[in-house]
Amino acid sequence: TQLLEQSPQFLSIQEGENLTVYCNSSSVFSSLQWYRQEPGEGPVLLVTVVTGGEVKKLKRLTFQFGDARKDSSLHITAAQPGDTGLYLCAGGGGNNNDMRFGAGTRLTVKP
Amino acid sequence: DVKVTQSSRYLVKRTGEKVFLECVQDMDHENMFWYRQDPGLGLRLIYFSYDVKMKEKGDIPEGYSVSREKKERFSLILESASTNQTSMYLCASSLIAADYGYTFGSGTRLTVV
Repeated sequence: TQLLEQSPQFLSIQEGENLTVYCNSSSVFSSLQWYRQEPGEGPVLLVTVVTGGEVKKLKRLTFQFGDARKDSSLHITAAQPGDTGLYLCAGGGGNNNDMRFGAGTRLTVKP
Repeated sequence: DVKVTQSSRYLVKRTGEKVFLECVQDMDHENMFWYRQDPGLGLRLIYFSYDVKMKEKGDIPEGYSVSREKKERFSLILESASTNQTSMYLCASSLIAADYGYTFGSGTRLTVV
């Protein structure tokens, strides 16, 4: 089983601060995804990165896939309370359908 | 709005009971999945299915079984519930997951007492 390790596990910051969370593995993935999960709901897909070195931006969120396709980062600029949630990364399994998830980073943004 | 619907948000069952968790999707997706989510452990894959009447074991299938009689419905069965199966259960469906990602249901929080 391919393991994905996310860090930090918990992060609490003030509104307006910047932050970066990480997703690391010893395995190579064909693609990597980031999800956000709010309390009482299922995870919602934010982005899929496919190419090594790829950078994708989604408003204040910047996602990067490592050159070797083993790791990824999520950077949030000027965090807002609405960014609060559990951020999960997921990597494609051998057949590109059964994804494996990290344990997540629980982000709290205080007003 | 496309949806994955899980039949119950909260369930409380007794040890030894047979428990059915139901999941229905309206997106005509071939792939469906059951995960459980526990603090610090993330989402762990229990079973998945690529087509009607087929199933594949995930990473933690012990104590669970599944049924997929129709394309839109994927059921998770706890044959004899135990306290260590207390968890949040998430159902998901997808096209090619690595390209398009999963659509998840809202989850069923199961407590076994």
